[in-house]
Parts: sequence; structure tokens; C-alpha cells
Amino acid sequence: DIQMTQSPSSLSASVGDRVTITCRASQAIRNDLGWYQQKPGKAPKRLIYATSNLQSGVPARFSGSGSGTEFSLTISSLQPEDIATYFCLQHNSYPWTFGQGTKVEIK
Amino acid sequence: QLVQSGSELKMPGASVKVSCKAFGYTLSNKAINWARQAPGQGLEWMGWINTNTGIPMYAQGFRGRFVFSVDTSVNTAYLQISGLKAEDTAIYYCGRGPGGFDPWGQGTLVIVSS
Repeated sequence: DIQMTQSPSSLSASVGDRVTITCRASQAIRNDLGWYQQKPGKAPKRLIYATSNLQSGVPARFSGSGSGTEFSLTISSLQPEDIATYFCLQHNSYPWTFGQGTKVEIK
Repeated sequence: QLVQSGSELKMPGASVKVSCKAFGYTLSNKAINWARQAPGQGLEWMGWINTNTGIPMYAQGFRGRFVFSVDTSVNTAYLQISGLKAEDTAIYYCGRGPGGFDPWGQGTLVIVSS
């Protein structure tokens, strides 16, 4: 199975800060990775698909990058409404695997 | 969008059937994935079903007691769990594929308790 190691597990940042979350795959997954946002008590929502493509309706402050085994999600200017848990999902090979999640809080 | 059935409280050993109804598109055009989120835990991919052929694929830990099915006449996918155990207590999500989950259903909380 492909292991997805996500870091950090939590972070606290100020409004307007640039925030980066990383997922490392245990083997190459091409660009078969998405990033998701889950607010408390809500279903997850996809932000980024195929590593770097912004889902329709998602603010442009979210971006994704990477290839092979190293991937990142960046929020260019953290906003109060971005408080959530973020996680990655690789769909390159079965079983699909999720990162453990990163809880983002406002400082 | 995908709309799931409501919360369930079940006794150990019982069965439960979670529905996931598609609105705004034809279910058989896209795969449906299933995932589980135990209390305070991360997400675990359970598998997927080809909604055109009805052929499922299960992740390793979800073979035997878990069954995916579809009824295209009502544009709905189902997850049935038999022989429920306390450790099955979780929120179960469906999501449209391929290539990830988009959109997700709102989730169905299944509580297994005596």
C-alpha cells in the first residue's frame, strides 16, 4: 500500500499568513493526488485535483503543486473561513490512501 | 450532489444499509467511492463500485461484511454492513469518482452500541 505522510499535523497561523501543508507518498504517484478541506461537522470538499488544478468555485488563494512523491497545498493568505482540517488523497493505486490530516487554526 | 440516508443506531450483530442518492446526474455514468471516518480519526478508503456494471472493489479491511450495490432505477448506491461491531461506529461517506471524491455525500453516522 502507498503510505501518505502528511505534515504538519496541526498549525496555527495569523490571518494573512502563507500556509503550506505537505504530503509525501511512499512511492511515486504521478500527479494522482487531490487536496480536501473538512470543516467541523461537515463533509469534506475537494479543493485541488490532479495535484495542481483548482476546483471550480474554490478561492484562488488555494494552490497545489508537486510531483512524484512530494506534494503541497498552499494557502497564500490565510482567512478566518479557512479554519478546517485539510488532507490529501492519492488515487494512483489501490488501495487509495489519505493523509492523516492537518488541522489549521488561527493564531 | 449526493444525499445520504440519516443516522443509524444499531445493536452489535445487526445489519445496516446506508443509501447515497445522486441528484443532477445519472448515477451509472460515474463510479461511487466509499470512505469511513471513525470518531476523532482520519479517513479510510473502503472501496468503490462501478455503477454501470455493479461490480464492486473492496479495500482489504472491508471484505466480507461490507457490500456495495446500486439501483440505477432510483439513481442510488448502497452500503450494507452486516454483523455490526462496536468498531464499525463511524461516519460513512459516499463520493463520486473517478479520480477522487467529488462531490461527497453529507455522511451517515452509524453508531453500534448495546
